[in-house]
Amino acid sequence: RKEVEQDPGPFNVPEGATVAFNCTYSNSASQSFFWYRQDCRKEPKLLMSVYSSGNEDGRFTAQLNRASQYISLLIRDSKLSDSATYLCVVTKTGANNLFFGTGTRLTVIP
Amino acid sequence: GAGVSQSPRYKVAKRGQDVALRCDPISGHVSLFWYQQALGQGPEFLTYFQNEAQLDKSGLPSDRFFAERPEGSVSTLKIQRTQQEDSAVYLCASSERLAGGVYEQFFGPGTRLTVL
Repeated sequence: RKEVEQDPGPFNVPEGATVAFNCTYSNSASQSFFWYRQDCRKEPKLLMSVYSSGNEDGRFTAQLNRASQYISLLIRDSKLSDSATYLCVVTKTGANNLFFGTGTRLTVIP
Repeated sequence: GAGVSQSPRYKVAKRGQDVALRCDPISGHVSLFWYQQALGQGPEFLTYFQNEAQLDKSGLPSDRFFAERPEGSVSTLKIQRTQQEDSAVYLCASSERLAGGVYEQFFGPGTRLTVL
């Protein structure tokens, strides 16, 4: 079983829409949680960290539910420039590397 | 400032050839990681260095894969006797080692390897 499971999509939404992505992680010892963004044929870049208390950065809101081992990302008022693949990422106690989901592809349509 | 750089950006190899992929991390970054990203998948961990020490190589898929970072800066990932299943993007990432273990990894643009 993969460490991180994500719906690969694709999600095609109109500009201005609100879209939500979810992922689940399998290891209760998971330590830190992130959303990375990857544009086509580019490297992944950190979008935001995810905390149990929830955190918001402009139009983006991330949430962590440790009891359910579930992470979410909400994007409000979608822009064309939000089109990308969103990768759910966790770290584990005792390991230094990142564990990535397969990514969810988002296309925002004019 | 300069980010992580990788070379070559693209590599085409015939099956059975050896290849060497280079990573220049951000100056001063202690930690260096290699990941493999197959088409339509997320990156998968290969190996991790702290300075020149290879502390984790549990993700290397076979003994044909070898990585080194002899002076604690530039790293090379070598793949011997390449196979078609080695075709992927190889990503290098570096990070500062911060207290508490929570740190951001900065990725290079990757090397896209195609084995024919």
